[in-house]
Amino acid sequence: QKEVEQDPGPLSVPEGAIVSLNCTYSNSAFQYFMWYRQYSRKGPELLMYTYSSGNKEDGRFTAQVDKSSKYISLFIRDSQPSDSATYLCAMTRAGGTSYGKLTFGQGTILTVHP
Amino acid sequence: NAGVTQTPKFRVLKTGQSMTLLCAQDMNHEYMYWYRQDPGMGLRLIHYSVGEGTTAKGEVPDGYNVSRLKKQNFLLGLESAAPSQTSVYFCASSPTGGLEKLFFGSGTQLSVL
Repeated sequence: QKEVEQDPGPLSVPEGAIVSLNCTYSNSAFQYFMWYRQYSRKGPELLMYTYSSGNKEDGRFTAQVDKSSKYISLFIRDSQPSDSATYLCAMTRAGGTSYGKLTFGQGTILTVHP
Repeated sequence: NAGVTQTPKFRVLKTGQSMTLLCAQDMNHEYMYWYRQDPGMGLRLIHYSVGEGTTAKGEVPDGYNVSRLKKQNFLLGLESAAPSQTSVYFCASSPTGGLEKLFFGSGTQLSVL
């Protein structure tokens, strides 16, 4: 069983829709949670970053973490065609020996139609 | 700013051939990483480096070697390529290996026939 599970989709929505992307994980040591966005033929770019449980909002994007359920989500409001990309969740445990090593989900392919 | 640059962008190898992928960063970052990305598997860490002259194994190190002779460069070598190493390879760097974001290159698409 993978440490991090993410539904690969693909997910196709009309412009303006609310998108919900999710990951579950099994390692309770994970403390830091991230969402990366990857456009076709490009490297991933950090989109959102949260620590432990709670919500974080940045413009049209909201990241949620529920550590009790080992479940994280990314919500995109008023989705735009430019949001079409692969979204990867990533997480790491606290402490000096983490060395910035991330464990990634499989990625969800999102297409937003005009 | 170039950021993280990977060369080559594409490569086709025959089984048993060797090659080296080069990663260069111009941000003076201490930490560098090599990941591979396969369909349905996400990004998996191959090797990483916490500073010039250091290397360490990641999640899937078998069949790969790395070197970090200069702070700005991180090389990934395949000594005897196998079809299972067909993948997209990404290099990344971060300032201190703490919880800052990783900066990724654009990737190298490698096919082993």
